[in-house]
Formats: sequence, C-alpha cells, structure tokens
Amino acid sequence: KQEVTQIPAALSVPEGENLVLNCSFTDSAIYNLQWFRQDPGKGLTSLLLIQSSQREQTSGRLNASLDKSSGRSTLYIAASQPGDSATYLCAVRLGSNYQLIWGAGTKLIIKP
Amino acid sequence: DVKVTQSSRYLVKRTGEKVFLECVQDMDHENMFWYRQDPGLGLRLIYFSYDVKMKEKGDIPEGYSVSREKKERFSLILESASTNQTSMYLCASSSLGVGDYEQYFGPGTRLTVT
Repeated sequence: KQEVTQIPAALSVPEGENLVLNCSFTDSAIYNLQWFRQDPGKGLTSLLLIQSSQREQTSGRLNASLDKSSGRSTLYIAASQPGDSATYLCAVRLGSNYQLIWGAGTKLIIKP
Repeated sequence: DVKVTQSSRYLVKRTGEKVFLECVQDMDHENMFWYRQDPGLGLRLIYFSYDVKMKEKGDIPEGYSVSREKKERFSLILESASTNQTSMYLCASSSLGVGDYEQYFGPGTRLTVT
C-alpha cells in the first residue's frame, strides 16, 4: 500500500533563507506527484506537478524534483519570504485511477 | 481562471441533522472529489465521481452519501450528522482526458457538529 510521508511536520526559518521540503513515498510506481500550498483555513492551491517521466519542474522561486527510484521528492524554495508561510502538501497519483495519496503536510513559518 | 466554489465557508449543525455540502466547478471537468481534512491525518477521500450520476467510494465513505445530477455540481450529504464528522471538507475537480489530471480545489467548508 502506497504511503506518503512529509518530514518535518513543521519548519521555521528566517526570511531570505533557501529551504527544502521533503516528501517520500513507498512505491515508486507513480503516475505523477503534485505539490500544493494551503493557507490557514483555506483550500489548496496547486504549485507544481511532476510527471513520472520528469526529474523536476520549476515555477518562479519554486523547484520540485522527483527521484522515483529512491521514492523521494523535494520542494526547494529560494529566498524565502513571510508570504511563503503556509502548509505544503505533496500527493502522488497512482497509475490511471483517480485517487491521490496524500502526505500530512509540512507547516512552514518564515520569520521576518 | 479555473474556479471551484463551495456553498459555505463555515457551518454549524446539531447532532442528527441532515447536512448538505455543495460544490460547483466551472471548468467542465468530468471528475469531482470530496475530501475531509483533519489535523495530523492529511486529506482523506470520501467519494468521487467521474461522470454525471456516477460515484465511487473513497477511503472513508461511511456516514456520507453523494449526488451528482449535473456535471458541474457535486453534493456531499451527511444523513445524520455526528460529532466525529466535525472537520474541514474540501471539494476538488479534474479533467478526464489525457493530461496531468491536475486537481483544482475549492476554499473548503469547516463543519462543526455539536
């Protein structure tokens, strides 16, 4: 059974630092992996989606990598800002079915 | 701009009441989903639908039912609300055709059952 883990559960860093959020999954047979952002009390916003055939995706200050063989994805945030404070979730999609398997998220706090 | 809307942001109901949560998407997506989100547990899939009048159980369907009479609307029904159904409920939609199957989310409904 596929399991998705995000460690740490919470992270606090000073503004301006580069940081990495981690996502690991137990079964490498994934269709794609998606990173989301969730602000307190709100829905989810998709940040990046990486297909199983891709190694990374970039959007602005965000870069997501995927290493299927090791069952890992990382979300790199460059030059962090207080506005980046949110919970970041990763989810993997298995094959052709419609379900996403979710991690519990990492709560990120950027201190001014 | 894609849009998924949910009927209420906050809802307070009493134990035993019948509760309707509505979700509407304007992207002509075939797939729609209902999740609940609880601290430390992440998102858990309750039900999903891949077409009008079609539905599939997710991981935690007990105590819930759904209705999809029109392509753009997916309703979650709590037949008799209980306190353990207090949670954040999130609706999402995605396309069915070849592609990323990226899911788009609504803002969520925080339901409290007293």
